[in-house]
Amino acid sequence: GAGVSQSPSNKVTEKGKDVELRCDPISGHTALYWYRQSLGQGLEFLIYFQGNSAPDKSGLPSDRFSAERTGGSVSTLTIQRTQQEDSAVYLCASRTGPNTEAFFGQGTRLTVV
Amino acid sequence: KQEVTQIPAALSVPEGENLVLNCSFTDSAIYNLQWFRQDPGKGLTSLLLIQSSQREQTSGRLNASLDKSSGRSTLYIAASQPGDSATYLCAVLGSNYKLTFGKGTLLTVNP
Repeated sequence: GAGVSQSPSNKVTEKGKDVELRCDPISGHTALYWYRQSLGQGLEFLIYFQGNSAPDKSGLPSDRFSAERTGGSVSTLTIQRTQQEDSAVYLCASRTGPNTEAFFGQGTRLTVV
Repeated sequence: KQEVTQIPAALSVPEGENLVLNCSFTDSAIYNLQWFRQDPGKGLTSLLLIQSSQREQTSGRLNASLDKSSGRSTLYIAASQPGDSATYLCAVLGSNYKLTFGKGTLLTVNP
């Protein structure tokens, strides 16, 4: 594809429900990142995948958050038992290597009501 | 822990002015520094990437410089236009491969 694709673009869910957010990186990009941007806040690192290496999960805020990347391509970020403080824009980025640009998707705006 | 600071937090200028946005970072062990713009409700658009071994990069009216030893970068925008209005973010890629972002500079260019 032409760029990083994220779906859905908007998601409204009830408190306590589980949600899945999807990221399709640029073809051939081995590195994939998830970030969270809360209203008026900076970008908060969540998780980083690089090829077949174990992901860096150090940014996940709680054990309700998990992510996987299947076949080194598509990634899914899952939030279980959503809380209102999970409301934010979730952004995905991909790159080929440390000396190349990171490209971001348009984000998924999650609203927990 | 890497920390990135952007100054000013907001800037309003009349159309046609040249302007400079500042970014500083605390850990100089970086692979590169990248400048992005973000329009309201949108994702991030990459503007310029500077490798740690480079001093500057140019793209059109944009010029970014990097002084790795002092932990500073500047983004120079020449002849600003209303369409340049956006939030500008800088991010550094550390040795742990994490991108650490500043909180951004909100730029408004008035016609």
